[in-house]
Amino acid sequence: NAGVTQTPKFRILKIGQSMTLQCAQDMNHNYMYWYRQDPGMGLKLIYYSVGAGITDKGEVPNGYNVSRSTTEDFPLRLELAAPSQTSVYFCASSYSSGREDEQFFGPGTRLTVL
Amino acid sequence: QKEVEQDPGPLSVPEGAIVSLNCTYSNSAFQYFMWYRQYSRKGPELLMYTYSSGNKEDGRFTAQVDKSSKYISLFIRDSQPSDSATYLCAMRGSWGKLQFGAGTQVVVTP
Repeated sequence: NAGVTQTPKFRILKIGQSMTLQCAQDMNHNYMYWYRQDPGMGLKLIYYSVGAGITDKGEVPNGYNVSRSTTEDFPLRLELAAPSQTSVYFCASSYSSGREDEQFFGPGTRLTVL
Repeated sequence: QKEVEQDPGPLSVPEGAIVSLNCTYSNSAFQYFMWYRQYSRKGPELLMYTYSSGNKEDGRFTAQVDKSSKYISLFIRDSQPSDSATYLCAMRGSWGKLQFGAGTQVVVTP
């Protein structure tokens, strides 16, 4: 199993550009999450999904959109990139939200907006 | 007030020492408490998980939760240079959503 994969690894955007961060998992997990991590800070939840077709906002959703058309994929869309979106983005997945269910994290995408 | 408070460090210790890390939190509804380890330029990986109050031991690692004080701790015994990483505490809310502390950078010097 590849686990949670994210593409691209790095990206530099200009202010106002758009892009999609890709996330895929091959563990048949129902729950998927997007977090961002700013320097010296913990991870903050952007969006999450509890199954295909079901998404909801997290703590910091402004400037982002998501979709979940399949169980495997959970892309994060940035529209009109701003310098405040410079961060490292992590995707995570888990089978459910149960007591023993671990969230597995991807390797991250480093995004710089100039 | 942040929901989860964690001293960012860095915390530098000599090899073989005990590393002591802690977090405080404000939401008394949290029941599940986790410690993640994050190596430089990598994603977090689950290290320890504790449900409600009490202690849990796994090899050189011990996690403690005191819900009455809203305080959780992680101890690393006989620390090794390979333990050098950032340690993030996290609390699980509804739908598995994690609330993270800022992370403490630990450096173990040979």
